[in-house]
Amino acid sequence: SQQGEEDPQALSIQEGENATMNCSYKTSINNLQWYRQNSGRGLVHLILIRSNEREKHSGRLRVTLDTSKKSSSLLITASRAADTASYFCATDAGGSNYKLTFGKGTLLTVNP
Amino acid sequence: DADVTQTPRNRITKTGKRIMLECSQTKGHDRMYWYRQDPGLGLQLIYYSFDVKDINKGEISDGYSVSRQAQAKFSLSLESAIPNQTALYFCATSDGGQGESDTQYFGPGTRLTVL
Repeated sequence: SQQGEEDPQALSIQEGENATMNCSYKTSINNLQWYRQNSGRGLVHLILIRSNEREKHSGRLRVTLDTSKKSSSLLITASRAADTASYFCATDAGGSNYKLTFGKGTLLTVNP
Repeated sequence: DADVTQTPRNRITKTGKRIMLECSQTKGHDRMYWYRQDPGLGLQLIYYSFDVKDINKGEISDGYSVSRQAQAKFSLSLESAIPNQTALYFCATSDGGQGESDTQYFGPGTRLTVL
Protein backbone atom coordinates (compact mmCIF):
# COMPACT_ATOMS: atom_id res chain seq x y z
CA SER A 1 0.00 0.00 0.00
CA GLN A 2 1.17 3.50 -0.77
CA GLN A 3 1.95 5.70 2.21
CA GLY A 4 2.55 8.91 0.31
CA GLU A 5 0.25 10.51 -2.22
CA GLU A 6 1.65 13.23 -4.45
CA ASP A 7 -0.41 16.06 -5.78
CA PRO A 8 -0.83 16.99 -8.55
CA GLN A 9 -0.37 13.82 -10.59
CA ALA A 10 0.95 15.93 -13.46
CA LEU A 11 2.21 19.49 -13.73
CA SER A 12 3.19 21.43 -16.85
CA ILE A 13 4.99 24.77 -16.58
CA GLN A 14 7.21 27.08 -18.61
CA GLU A 15 10.92 27.30 -18.13
CA GLY A 16 11.81 29.84 -15.46
CA GLU A 17 8.62 29.32 -13.47
CA ASN A 18 8.52 27.68 -10.06
CA ALA A 19 7.08 24.20 -9.60
CA THR A 20 5.43 23.04 -6.40
CA MET A 21 4.55 19.44 -5.66
CA ASN A 22 2.83 18.16 -2.57
CA CYS A 23 2.95 14.89 -0.69
CA SER A 24 0.51 13.69 1.93
CA TYR A 25 0.99 10.63 4.07
CA LYS A 26 -1.14 8.66 6.48
CA THR A 27 0.88 7.43 9.43
CA SER A 28 3.60 8.93 11.59
CA ILE A 29 7.00 9.12 9.97
CA ASN A 30 10.60 9.31 11.01
CA ASN A 31 11.86 11.02 7.86
CA LEU A 32 10.65 11.99 4.41
CA GLN A 33 12.69 11.96 1.23
CA TRP A 34 12.14 13.23 -2.29
CA TYR A 35 13.42 11.35 -5.32
CA ARG A 36 13.52 12.17 -9.00
CA GLN A 37 13.08 9.75 -11.90
CA ASN A 38 13.85 10.54 -15.49
CA SER A 39 11.70 8.57 -17.90
CA GLY A 40 12.33 4.83 -17.55
CA ARG A 41 15.42 5.30 -15.39
CA GLY A 42 16.33 4.63 -11.78
CA LEU A 43 15.37 7.02 -9.02
CA VAL A 44 17.84 9.57 -7.77
CA HIS A 45 17.75 10.96 -4.24
CA LEU A 46 17.19 14.70 -4.01
CA ILE A 47 16.72 15.66 -0.39
CA LEU A 48 15.84 14.26 3.03
CA ILE A 49 13.96 16.07 5.75
CA ARG A 50 13.72 14.73 9.28
CA SER A 51 10.48 14.72 11.25
CA ASN A 52 11.81 17.39 13.60
CA GLU A 53 12.68 19.74 10.73
CA ARG A 54 10.24 22.12 9.08
CA GLU A 55 12.16 23.35 6.06
CA LYS A 56 15.26 22.40 4.14
CA HIS A 57 17.04 23.83 1.13
CA SER A 58 19.35 22.34 -1.47
CA GLY A 59 20.27 24.51 -4.43
CA ARG A 60 17.03 25.31 -6.27
CA LEU A 61 15.06 22.88 -4.11
CA ARG A 62 13.07 23.78 -1.04
CA VAL A 63 11.27 21.16 1.00
CA THR A 64 8.82 21.80 3.79
CA LEU A 65 7.34 19.34 6.23
CA ASP A 66 4.22 19.79 8.34
CA THR A 67 3.86 16.76 10.59
CA SER A 68 0.60 18.05 12.07
CA LYS A 69 -0.97 17.94 8.60
CA LYS A 70 1.06 14.91 7.52
CA SER A 71 2.21 16.70 4.41
CA SER A 72 5.32 17.89 2.61
CA SER A 73 5.96 20.09 -0.36
CA LEU A 74 8.81 20.26 -2.85
CA LEU A 75 9.46 23.58 -4.54
CA ILE A 76 11.75 23.81 -7.55
CA THR A 77 12.61 27.41 -8.32
CA ALA A 78 13.55 28.82 -11.72
CA SER A 79 12.74 25.54 -13.45
CA ARG A 80 14.66 24.28 -16.46
CA ALA A 81 13.70 21.91 -19.24
CA ALA A 82 16.15 19.43 -17.69
CA ASP A 83 13.97 19.32 -14.57
CA THR A 84 11.36 17.40 -16.57
CA ALA A 85 10.92 14.15 -14.66
CA SER A 86 8.71 12.34 -12.18
CA TYR A 87 9.12 13.27 -8.54
CA PHE A 88 8.35 10.89 -5.70
CA CYS A 89 8.11 11.32 -1.98
CA ALA A 90 9.13 8.43 0.23
CA THR A 91 8.59 7.99 3.94
CA ASP A 92 9.97 5.72 6.61
CA ALA A 93 8.79 4.99 10.11
CA GLY A 94 12.27 4.48 11.49
CA GLY A 95 13.16 1.61 13.74
CA SER A 96 15.21 -1.49 13.10
CA ASN A 97 12.99 -2.72 10.29
CA TYR A 98 13.62 0.37 8.22
CA LYS A 99 12.20 0.56 4.71
CA LEU A 100 10.87 3.30 2.46
CA THR A 101 7.31 3.60 1.20
CA PHE A 102 6.94 5.55 -2.03
CA GLY A 103 4.06 7.61 -3.37
CA LYS A 104 2.79 7.44 -6.95
CA GLY A 105 4.69 10.51 -8.07
CA THR A 106 4.14 13.82 -9.83
CA LEU A 107 5.10 14.07 -13.49
CA LEU A 108 6.63 17.49 -14.06
CA THR A 109 7.01 18.81 -17.59
CA VAL A 110 9.00 21.99 -18.07
CA ASN A 111 8.45 23.50 -21.49
CA PRO A 112 11.31 25.46 -23.09
CA ASP B 1 31.26 2.70 -13.76
CA ALA B 2 27.80 2.63 -12.23
CA ASP B 3 27.59 1.85 -8.52
CA VAL B 4 24.47 -0.30 -8.88
CA THR B 5 24.10 -2.43 -11.98
CA GLN B 6 21.27 -4.63 -13.14
CA THR B 7 21.21 -7.38 -15.73
CA PRO B 8 19.52 -7.83 -18.07
CA ARG B 9 18.28 -4.33 -18.90
CA ASN B 10 15.45 -5.65 -21.02
CA ARG B 11 13.88 -9.08 -21.16
CA ILE B 12 10.95 -10.54 -23.03
CA THR B 13 9.80 -13.95 -21.92
CA LYS B 14 6.81 -16.26 -22.09
CA THR B 15 4.28 -17.26 -19.47
CA GLY B 16 5.55 -20.08 -17.28
CA LYS B 17 9.25 -19.44 -17.84
CA ARG B 18 11.69 -19.00 -14.96
CA ILE B 19 13.45 -15.66 -14.97
CA MET B 20 16.31 -14.33 -12.87
CA LEU B 21 17.17 -10.66 -12.56
CA GLU B 22 20.55 -9.83 -11.11
CA CYS B 23 21.81 -6.86 -9.18
CA SER B 24 25.37 -6.00 -8.23
CA GLN B 25 26.69 -3.04 -6.27
CA THR B 26 30.11 -1.59 -5.61
CA LYS B 27 29.01 0.82 -2.88
CA GLY B 28 29.82 -1.59 -0.08
CA HIS B 29 26.31 -1.26 1.33
CA ASP B 30 24.78 -3.94 3.50
CA ARG B 31 21.16 -3.23 2.59
CA MET B 32 19.66 -4.17 -0.77
CA TYR B 33 16.11 -3.94 -2.10
CA TRP B 34 14.01 -5.07 -5.05
CA TYR B 35 11.09 -2.94 -6.26
CA ARG B 36 8.68 -3.13 -9.14
CA GLN B 37 7.13 -0.15 -10.85
CA ASP B 38 3.98 -0.26 -12.94
CA PRO B 39 2.99 2.62 -15.26
CA GLY B 40 1.63 5.59 -13.35
CA LEU B 41 2.39 4.02 -10.00
CA GLY B 42 5.10 4.42 -7.45
CA LEU B 43 7.50 1.72 -6.40
CA GLN B 44 6.30 -1.35 -4.59
CA LEU B 45 8.74 -3.25 -2.42
CA ILE B 46 9.14 -6.92 -3.31
CA TYR B 47 11.95 -8.11 -1.02
CA TYR B 48 14.71 -6.55 1.00
CA SER B 49 17.86 -7.75 2.70
CA PHE B 50 19.77 -6.02 5.49
CA ASP B 51 22.74 -8.37 5.25
CA VAL B 52 23.72 -11.66 3.63
CA LYS B 53 21.81 -13.75 6.16
CA ASP B 54 18.76 -11.51 6.37
CA ILE B 55 15.91 -11.67 3.83
CA ASN B 56 12.53 -10.04 4.32
CA LYS B 57 9.32 -10.00 2.32
CA GLY B 58 7.98 -6.68 1.12
CA GLU B 59 4.48 -5.63 0.09
CA ILE B 60 4.20 -7.86 -2.98
CA SER B 61 6.45 -10.91 -2.57
CA ASP B 62 4.02 -13.53 -3.92
CA GLY B 63 5.35 -15.08 -7.12
CA TYR B 64 8.90 -13.88 -6.44
CA SER B 65 11.93 -15.22 -4.61
CA VAL B 66 15.36 -13.76 -3.90
CA SER B 67 18.88 -14.84 -3.16
CA ARG B 68 21.60 -12.79 -1.47
CA GLN B 69 24.71 -14.48 -2.75
CA ALA B 70 27.14 -11.97 -1.27
CA GLN B 71 27.12 -8.49 0.17
CA ALA B 72 27.37 -7.13 -3.35
CA LYS B 73 24.85 -9.38 -5.09
CA PHE B 74 21.09 -9.71 -4.74
CA SER B 75 19.08 -11.59 -7.35
CA LEU B 76 15.33 -11.72 -7.94
CA SER B 77 13.63 -14.77 -9.46
CA LEU B 78 10.26 -15.29 -11.00
CA GLU B 79 9.76 -19.03 -10.77
CA SER B 80 6.91 -19.14 -13.27
CA ALA B 81 6.39 -15.79 -14.94
CA ILE B 82 2.88 -14.51 -15.61
CA PRO B 83 1.76 -11.53 -17.74
CA ASN B 84 0.84 -9.32 -14.77
CA GLN B 85 4.50 -9.44 -13.70
CA THR B 86 5.26 -7.28 -16.72
CA ALA B 87 6.83 -4.21 -15.15
CA LEU B 88 9.98 -2.19 -14.58
CA TYR B 89 12.12 -3.73 -11.83
CA PHE B 90 14.60 -1.77 -9.75
CA CYS B 91 17.32 -2.82 -7.39
CA ALA B 92 18.46 -0.37 -4.73
CA THR B 93 21.03 -0.25 -1.95
CA SER B 94 21.53 1.75 1.23
CA ASP B 95 24.13 1.85 3.96
CA GLY B 96 21.84 1.59 6.94
CA GLY B 97 22.46 5.11 8.25
CA GLN B 98 23.23 3.96 11.81
CA GLY B 99 19.70 4.41 13.04
CA GLU B 100 18.90 7.42 10.89
CA SER B 101 16.96 7.38 7.69
CA ASP B 102 19.30 6.51 4.86
CA THR B 103 19.35 7.33 1.21
CA GLN B 104 18.69 4.61 -1.31
CA TYR B 105 20.73 4.31 -4.50
CA PHE B 106 18.97 2.80 -7.48
CA GLY B 107 20.09 0.73 -10.42
CA PRO B 108 19.02 1.61 -13.97
CA GLY B 109 16.16 -0.88 -13.97
CA THR B 110 15.16 -4.00 -15.88
CA ARG B 111 12.19 -3.81 -18.19
CA LEU B 112 10.49 -7.21 -18.11
CA THR B 113 7.73 -8.23 -20.49
CA VAL B 114 5.88 -11.50 -19.98
CA LEU B 115 3.88 -12.61 -23.00
